[in-house]
Amino acid sequence: SAVISQKPSRDICQRGTSLTIQCQVDSQVTMMFWYRQQPGQSLTLIATANQGSEATYESGFVIDKFPISRPNLTFSTLTVSNMSPEDSSIYLCSALDRGREYTGELFFGEGSRLTVL
Amino acid sequence: LAKTTQPISMDSYEGQEVNITCSHNNIATNDYITWYQQFPSQGPRFIIQGYKTKVTNEVASLFIPADRKSSTLSLPRVSLSDTAVYYCLVGDSGGYQKVTFGTGTKLQVIP
Repeated sequence: SAVISQKPSRDICQRGTSLTIQCQVDSQVTMMFWYRQQPGQSLTLIATANQGSEATYESGFVIDKFPISRPNLTFSTLTVSNMSPEDSSIYLCSALDRGREYTGELFFGEGSRLTVL
Repeated sequence: LAKTTQPISMDSYEGQEVNITCSHNNIATNDYITWYQQFPSQGPRFIIQGYKTKVTNEVASLFIPADRKSSTLSLPRVSLSDTAVYYCLVGDSGGYQKVTFGTGTKLQVIP
């Protein structure tokens, strides 16, 4: 199974700034996803990170606010732009393991806990 | 995407068997049922997956009736370390899976 590393694991940021979260997978994966999880809540899908093309965003999330890169089959970044306190959350990177795309078994990173002051 | 409904929370004593049932009335023919476990400050972790009947691994069993409109995750002899949130998901069919998480069930294991 794939192992996913995220950086930073946590950060405290000032309002109006931007932060980029990195996600590294130890093997090539077909699909990568970014989720947000607010304290005590379930996970909400932000977008699907497509290799070689623009990310596909879910309703309520836009590219200007959450630009995503996916330069290759093992790496992706999520930027949270022009942050406000409402962006304080845990951001999780996940990936579909190769060969398991159809059944949807996801692997997750440990998450990046973001606090915006 | 098939919607899932599961209890918000459950309590159990150590050593007991815990059964968490999930409803997914509009599951599609090609959908799989997957359960994840999430501990505080960690990402979700795959527990078990099935399509129909019964699946068992070293961690849990998954029971799926013939109509597949529900499923039951069974955790044998839980311990304090099983305290976590358990998510039932039904995958989107069509060649790739975009997984949507429901509310999950917060299991509290009591000494």
